[in-house]
Amino acid sequence: DAGVIQSPRHEVTEMGQEVTLRCKPISGHNSLFWYRQTMMRGLELLIYFNNNVPIDDSGMPEDRFSAKMPNASFSTLKIQPSEPRDSAVYFCASSRGQGVNQPQHFGDGTRLSIL
Amino acid sequence: AQSVAQPEDQVNVAEGNPLTVKCTYSVSGNPYLFWYVQYPNRGLQFLLKYITGDNLVKGSYGFEAEFNKSQTSFHVKKPSALVGDSALYFCAVGDMGGGFKPIFGAGTRLFVKA
Repeated sequence: DAGVIQSPRHEVTEMGQEVTLRCKPISGHNSLFWYRQTMMRGLELLIYFNNNVPIDDSGMPEDRFSAKMPNASFSTLKIQPSEPRDSAVYFCASSRGQGVNQPQHFGDGTRLSIL
Repeated sequence: AQSVAQPEDQVNVAEGNPLTVKCTYSVSGNPYLFWYVQYPNRGLQFLLKYITGDNLVKGSYGFEAEFNKSQTSFHVKKPSALVGDSALYFCAVGDMGGGFKPIFGAGTRLFVKA
C-alpha cells in the first residue's frame, strides 16, 4: 500500500511569498493531521481533520496559516505571507477512525526554508 | 488535561546491551499509548501501541513496551540494541476524554555505539 504522500519534499522561497504544502493520505483513513517540527519547539500539532472536517485548529500559529481538506484524498497547508520563522519540516499524517486510538502514518515531510 | 513526558533527552547504550527509553503520562480516562521512531530525513514510524489487554506489548524490530498503570509509565525496551536503532523516539498518549488527538512527547534521542 502507498503511504502518506507529501509534496514538495523541499521548498525554498523568499519571505513574503505564498507557500502551499500538499498531502495525500492513505486511502480509507478518516483522520488527517498536520504537524510542524523544529529543533527548538519539537513536534507541534497544527490542525486535525476528521472525515474532511477541521476538528481542532488550535495549533495553527497565526492567521497566515490555513489548511483545507476538500476531499478524502487531498489536503493542503498554506502559508501566506511566509516568514523566516516558518522554516521547519512539515509533516502530514493520517489514521483510521477518530485518531486517538489508532496509530498515525506519517509522510516523509516537506522541508521548508524561508529566506 | 492529558500530558506525556520523556524525561531523557538522550540515551546512550552499547551495541548488544539492552536499551530502555522512558515515558510517563497523565490522562483523565483510560490511556491509549504509542511509540514512534524517527530516522533522519524521514517521518515518524509507528512501533507499537497499548490500547487494552496484556500490559506487555510487542512491536516492530524487536521492541516491546510495558504498560504500568500504577506508575503511569510506558517504557519501550529492546533486549539487544543495534547500531541501526539509533534514532529519535517519541511516546504519544491519548484518551477519549482529551479530545480526538494524541499528545506527543518531546522525543528521546537514542545513540547506540558499536
